[in-house]
Amino acid sequence: DTEVTQTPKHLVMGMTNKKSLKCEQHMGHRAMYWYKQKAKKPPELMFVYSYEKLSINESVPSRFSPECPNSSLLNLHLHALQPEDSALYLCASSPPQGTYEQYFGPGTRLTVT
Amino acid sequence: DQQVKQNSPSLSVQEGRISILNCDYTNSMFDYFLWYKKYPAEGPTFLISISSIKDKNEDGRFTVFLNKSAKHLSLHIVPSQPGDSAVYFCAGALWRRSGAGSYQLTFGKGTKLSVIP
Repeated sequence: DTEVTQTPKHLVMGMTNKKSLKCEQHMGHRAMYWYKQKAKKPPELMFVYSYEKLSINESVPSRFSPECPNSSLLNLHLHALQPEDSALYLCASSPPQGTYEQYFGPGTRLTVT
Repeated sequence: DQQVKQNSPSLSVQEGRISILNCDYTNSMFDYFLWYKKYPAEGPTFLISISSIKDKNEDGRFTVFLNKSAKHLSLHIVPSQPGDSAVYFCAGALWRRSGAGSYQLTFGKGTKLSVIP
């Protein structure tokens, strides 16, 4: 299994809703990442988990809450989002021991109404 | 501050010809540079990389050249095929010691390549 899966593919939510994005990989990778990509912009790093511990938070607002329940699974909990949070949310993973290559999932297209 | 720049938003090339995608960077601390390819509705797919201490890396039809003094890299695709039509992202990889440590990728804005049959 050489892929990163993300669910759901599309999500529409209101500003008062609570929802979660899910990312899964079964490649034995020990670093997992959340990126946000707006239209015609590059992916921007949000969070990094390394060995199931949060190692990097790029000053992301608290309405985004990451969780790594185990080495294969990464969640992003969403609450009280704003319309400007509408974007493609990409998950990625990389092997342990300092490998620079990251494997990306297909993303979740989020629309906040 | 945009550390990785791809100044050409789009490029059109005839099938069979060479495609040259360019990327400039400002951060001299990048350890590696990577090229990713992205089709619509899919995540970026790793294509090829180069260490900051090398000047060329080749993999089949894809070659990446690095000019450290000019802080410039380029991706050459020869021959170009219609299936190569996609958005290509250049990225710099920097080691961050936070926690157990990981590489952080900084992406350029991408160049949309269209290969015309």
